[in-house]
Amino acid sequence: AAGVIQSPRHLIKEKRETATLKCYPIPRHDTVYWYQQGPGQDPQFLISFYEKMQSDKGSIPDRFSAQQFSDYHSELNMSSLELGDSALYFCASSVKPGSYEQYFGPGTRLTVT
Amino acid sequence: AQSVAQPEDQVNVAEGNPLTVKCTYSVSGNPYLFWYVQYPNRGLQFLLKYITGDNLVKGSYGFEAEFNKSQTSFHLKKPSALVSDSALYFCAVRDSLVGTNDYKLSFGAGTTVTVRA
Repeated sequence: AAGVIQSPRHLIKEKRETATLKCYPIPRHDTVYWYQQGPGQDPQFLISFYEKMQSDKGSIPDRFSAQQFSDYHSELNMSSLELGDSALYFCASSVKPGSYEQYFGPGTRLTVT
Repeated sequence: AQSVAQPEDQVNVAEGNPLTVKCTYSVSGNPYLFWYVQYPNRGLQFLLKYITGDNLVKGSYGFEAEFNKSQTSFHLKKPSALVSDSALYFCAVRDSLVGTNDYKLSFGAGTTVTVRA
């Protein structure tokens, strides 16, 4: 079965650089969620989209922005990167916002040096 | 507000023995509860969920969980653990009493399970 695809899987950036993370949801899933998992921590919700509109916002820094495109894929744009942004970034998708299960991608490991 | 607590950082069991990973929750309305497993350098894999109905929920890989409303708990169990069950387990909750479009999951801190041969 098709799963959530994230690219790149690994990314190394320097401080103050920018990064773009991409997420391709499971086919026919129209809702995308972004989570950030710091080292040894639980995943923290960043932002979600439904039908290309932002549906909910969590603890996402102002330096980050995201959008969902017409093909339902989503991109998380991160600017002025800081050392503390080093984390595993997960994308999850669901059939619709009210669907119970969220299916997670493998994550993008971002390292800021 | 919704939150989850996993009181144990680590659980160690011998292969073939029962495995229990504890989880308690706090919500305003009714809870939607989930268990996910994470293997090293991998994403979160969905194991099972409780939405409504039977308090005993069966999931993937022989895991099950029991919802206990009076104790606000949702402990994950497996009757006979395997070495391959060694991983990081997360409990997550979503509150049924939330605003429109508020469907985010709140995760516990995770419990590392080690099953020794």
